[in-house]
Amino acid sequence: AQRVTQPEKLLSVFKGAPVELKCNYSYSGSPELFWYVQYSRQRLQLLLRHISRESIKGFTADLNKGETSFHLKKPFAQEEDSAMYYCALKGNTNTGNQFYFGTGTSLTVIP
Amino acid sequence: DGGITQSPKYLFRKEGQNVTLSCEQNLNHDAMYWYRQDPGQGLRLIYYSQIVNDFQKGDIAEGYSVSREKKESFPLTVTSAQKNPTAFYLCASSIGLLGGGAYNEQFFGPGTRLTVL
Repeated sequence: AQRVTQPEKLLSVFKGAPVELKCNYSYSGSPELFWYVQYSRQRLQLLLRHISRESIKGFTADLNKGETSFHLKKPFAQEEDSAMYYCALKGNTNTGNQFYFGTGTSLTVIP
Repeated sequence: DGGITQSPKYLFRKEGQNVTLSCEQNLNHDAMYWYRQDPGQGLRLIYYSQIVNDFQKGDIAEGYSVSREKKESFPLTVTSAQKNPTAFYLCASSIGLLGGGAYNEQFFGPGTRLTVL
């Protein structure tokens, strides 16, 4: 069964400190993973996808198939990074694409 | 910003009433999804549709119904059979099976907050 686990519901860091939001997954096939972010009073939006190997707003995430992880990292947290972050996995089923979301991590960056 | 819209933003319902939440997209996406977002539980899939006139149950479909008569529209009805309907509902769309590949991410609407009085 496909599953996405985000072990931390709440995470607080000081401005300028490194931040890591954890995500682990279980999936029988080749995973396609995403990080979504929801800022206060804004809609849920894509932050980054593993296939692109991109850095968005200073965030990166590396897919580690051995550890089945896709942790989100940023070396120096900023106050504007305070938001809700969701890790998601796209699975291909015989009835179409499904996206499996973790329970989310609320990040607070303390000034 | 356009793309995918949901209405209304806030909705109040009396117990025992059915209510329909609207979701419209102008992205020409084939796939559309409904999620329920509750504190501490993340996003849970209610229904999804990969193509017009077809839809599939998600993990928590009981007490909900949908239709997909048009590509751009995927309304969700919360029926009186839903035991705990008060929640934040999110609609999303994606290109679908035949396009995008690993870039086939979801685009989300602004959400509808339903409160049962």
